[in-house]
Amino acid sequence: DIQMTQSPSSLSASVGDRVTIICRASEGIGNDLAWFQQKPGRAPKRLIFVASALQSGVSSRFSGSGSGTEFTLTISDLQPEDIATYYCLHHSRYPRAFGQGTKVEIK
Amino acid sequence: QEQLIQSGPELKMPGSTVKVSCQASGKPLYKYSLTWVRQAPGRGLEWMGVIISVFGTKEYAQKFQDRVTFIADESTNTAYMEIRGLKADDTAIYYCSTDGGDAYNDLWGQGTLLTVSS
Repeated sequence: DIQMTQSPSSLSASVGDRVTIICRASEGIGNDLAWFQQKPGRAPKRLIFVASALQSGVSSRFSGSGSGTEFTLTISDLQPEDIATYYCLHHSRYPRAFGQGTKVEIK
Repeated sequence: QEQLIQSGPELKMPGSTVKVSCQASGKPLYKYSLTWVRQAPGRGLEWMGVIISVFGTKEYAQKFQDRVTFIADESTNTAYMEIRGLKADDTAIYYCSTDGGDAYNDLWGQGTLLTVSS
């Protein structure tokens, strides 16, 4: 099974900062990777799929890149409403797997 | 408007069985690859498996293969997840959702809280 490893597990940044989260797959998955945002008490929401396609209605401050085994989610110009936990998920084959999550806080 | 609507919270005894439902509205269930995800208190998201009713396909994460069954009832547009032999560490919020790689849909149910306690 493919394992997903995210880093860091948490980060603290200032409003307006550029934030980067990394997700690594245990084997190559092409561009079959999605990113989700989850706010406390809420269901997750997809931000990005196939590594770099922005979900309809999601702010363009979110962007995804990468292929193969290493992927990046970037939040440019961090805003207070971006406070959440972010997860990657590979959708290459079954079983799917999530990364462990990255909690983003404001300094 | 397309939605996934889940059944309400459950309190179950260890060793018992639970069946959580997820009703699709706005589109036939067979249009989705319907995924189940759980989240234990204070923990991350865990992919449990998927049911693709149009193909009769069910895939389970290995740790759930022996205790979990997915069912699709096209007549009521409802998917079900049954967990047998409940344990305390099955306590979690269970979500149904569309598949993460679905190019057209990102739908999530509101979540069903399952508490397993004696």
